[in-house]
Amino acid sequence: DADVTQTPRNRITKTGKRIMLECSQTKGHDRMYWYRQDPGLGLQLIYYSFDVKDINKGEISDGYSVSRQAQAKFSLSLESAIPNQTALYFCATSARDNEQFFGPGTRLTVL
Amino acid sequence: QKEVEQNSGPLSVPEGAIASLNCTYSDRVSQSFFWYRQYSGKSPELIMSIYSNGDKEDGRFTAQLNKASQYVSLLIRDSQPSDSATYLCAVAKYNFNKFYFGSGTKLNVKP
Repeated sequence: DADVTQTPRNRITKTGKRIMLECSQTKGHDRMYWYRQDPGLGLQLIYYSFDVKDINKGEISDGYSVSRQAQAKFSLSLESAIPNQTALYFCATSARDNEQFFGPGTRLTVL
Repeated sequence: QKEVEQNSGPLSVPEGAIASLNCTYSDRVSQSFFWYRQYSGKSPELIMSIYSNGDKEDGRFTAQLNKASQYVSLLIRDSQPSDSATYLCAVAKYNFNKFYFGSGTKLNVKP
């Protein structure tokens, strides 16, 4: 079984819809992250969490929210999706050394 | 100024050659450095981390860190076509509380 899983793997939705992307990990790491990647670009940090009670904004948090339901689960929500949120979304986990392990990604298309 | 800068490439090398990938960072307080490999449409995977000046070798990969000049490089010896991918440089600072990715260098290894 994969250490970091993401659901769904692909999602097509319409402008204005609320979307939730979920991430689960079995690595036992405290730290979890959400990134987005646009074609030909690097990874942009949306939110990160260093433990269940800790949530921090990244570079591009506007339009997104997160929930850390448990050590192993970190969800990303788009409250009202817009087309420029079309991207590949990655969840990652790490221990304190910040060696990050990524999930397989969710390809989101907002029409 | 970007925290982490990489030449987007593509860098083309023949099979069996040494591929040299470079990365510069802007903040001297950066403490830890990472190289990730990302195949098209896939998630990044950690290749190496390096924390102190000098070289660190792992199989065909060598990471080099020069804090005085604020650059980190990755050498791939005996390059194989399977090494063709985008290589992402990342840095962490402030006791790992800040983490930044470069936009990546695309490497093509020609048979």
